[in-house]
Amino acid sequence: DQQVKQNSPSLSVQEGRISILNCDYTNSMFDYFLWYKKYPAEGPTFLISISSIKDKNEDGRFTVFLNKSAKHLSLHIVPSQPGDSAVYFCAASGYRGGSNYKLTFGKGTLLTVNP
Amino acid sequence: KAGVTQTPRYLIKTRGQQVTLSCSPISGHRSVSWYQQTPGQGLQFLFEYFSETQRNKGNFPGRFSGRQFSNSRSEMNVSTLELGDSALYLCASSSVGGANYGYTFGSGTRLTVV
Repeated sequence: DQQVKQNSPSLSVQEGRISILNCDYTNSMFDYFLWYKKYPAEGPTFLISISSIKDKNEDGRFTVFLNKSAKHLSLHIVPSQPGDSAVYFCAASGYRGGSNYKLTFGKGTLLTVNP
Repeated sequence: KAGVTQTPRYLIKTRGQQVTLSCSPISGHRSVSWYQQTPGQGLQFLFEYFSETQRNKGNFPGRFSGRQFSNSRSEMNVSTLELGDSALYLCASSSVGGANYGYTFGSGTRLTVV
């Protein structure tokens, strides 16, 4: 049972436009959400996170939106740059249910930003 | 400061053999987690250690085991290797554990079982 889902395996956008990556979750115990970026042959690097008590968190070009009622979050990248091309993973964690010490990941979305 | 160091970077083993992977966390970090990444399953949690104690374990068979030493370095062991164990194994460290405190990943060990 996949608790964190990224339904789009890939996304292609033009440089300068907005990239929107989506993520859905099923476990209501999750109360903290993160986005990681991964380049080939490297480990994932942390990008941005959001607590379930918020509905938006912004850091430079990156904004994460959380819709708890829909169990949906999205990552917006504006403007997109070629260097943003990577695999993006959505991850979730939660204090409740004893799952605080692990991250549950989606399968990732490959973002390609074309010059 | 130095990041999370995983050794070796690449490994080729034969079915039935066993393998040990090593992870040195960021200095001062006491929590070490292990994840398996495969094309079909994405990143899956293996286990997490804090101060030499396993605090959480994922849904992997008993062939997968780990331990943490007093200096916070960690090892994971896979016995009786199967072809399906071919994957990128990632280690992540954190000061106290818990997503809120941030996890830093190493570059991983690419294991190929033939």
